[in-house]
Amino acid sequence: GESVGLHLPTLSVQEGDNSIINCAYSNSASDYFIWYKQESGKGPQFIIDIRSNMDKRQGQRVTVLLNKTVKHLSLQIAATQPGDSAVYFCAENRGGKLIFGQGTELSVKP
Amino acid sequence: GAVVSQHPSRVICKSGTSVKIECRSLDFQATTMFWYRQFPKQSLMLMATSNEGSKATYEQGVEKDKFLINHASLTLSTLTVTSAHPEDSSFYICGDSGQFLETQYFGPGTRLLVL
Repeated sequence: GESVGLHLPTLSVQEGDNSIINCAYSNSASDYFIWYKQESGKGPQFIIDIRSNMDKRQGQRVTVLLNKTVKHLSLQIAATQPGDSAVYFCAENRGGKLIFGQGTELSVKP
Repeated sequence: GAVVSQHPSRVICKSGTSVKIECRSLDFQATTMFWYRQFPKQSLMLMATSNEGSKATYEQGVEKDKFLINHASLTLSTLTVTSAHPEDSSFYICGDSGQFLETQYFGPGTRLLVL
């Protein structure tokens, strides 16, 4: 498949700190991107999205940044909480299909 | 966003049996739904796109005769894993595209274990 990871990158942060999760995408023609949060044993949950005509979008405690020049996407979580612990996936919409990144496991230390 | 349910949440079956997984769109009439498979510590892999009233579109490498998809109504798509084997053990997730056909919203997933 297109986005199968052999291992899951991990990010460990202290509760209250900010988290930054990064994602690289491959197709310069992709025009819509989504971040999902997946808790253990559950389906992915929509967090925030961004279109390619934007470079930044903010939600509640989350910000997504898009750098089309280097095909890079990031998710910033402010004041990270234990409930934020999960695997985070970026996804790009390519012709109506979602192509998922490999995911990053976020661990929040109390 | 759309609300999607799946049933069952987990199933254990013997090798050689068939298992049906249901995916329901609870608040939206979904003409298109998507089926994914996820192995431990890996990303979601699209298996097929389920189209209401027509044949599903399968991704390369996915056997359509093994993973039967039926989308007979606007709120229900089913995935049947036929003659399941231990290597089919995985987490199966369905999603629907909601009103705007870009964002996908996912069900809670079905954990399949084939003994």
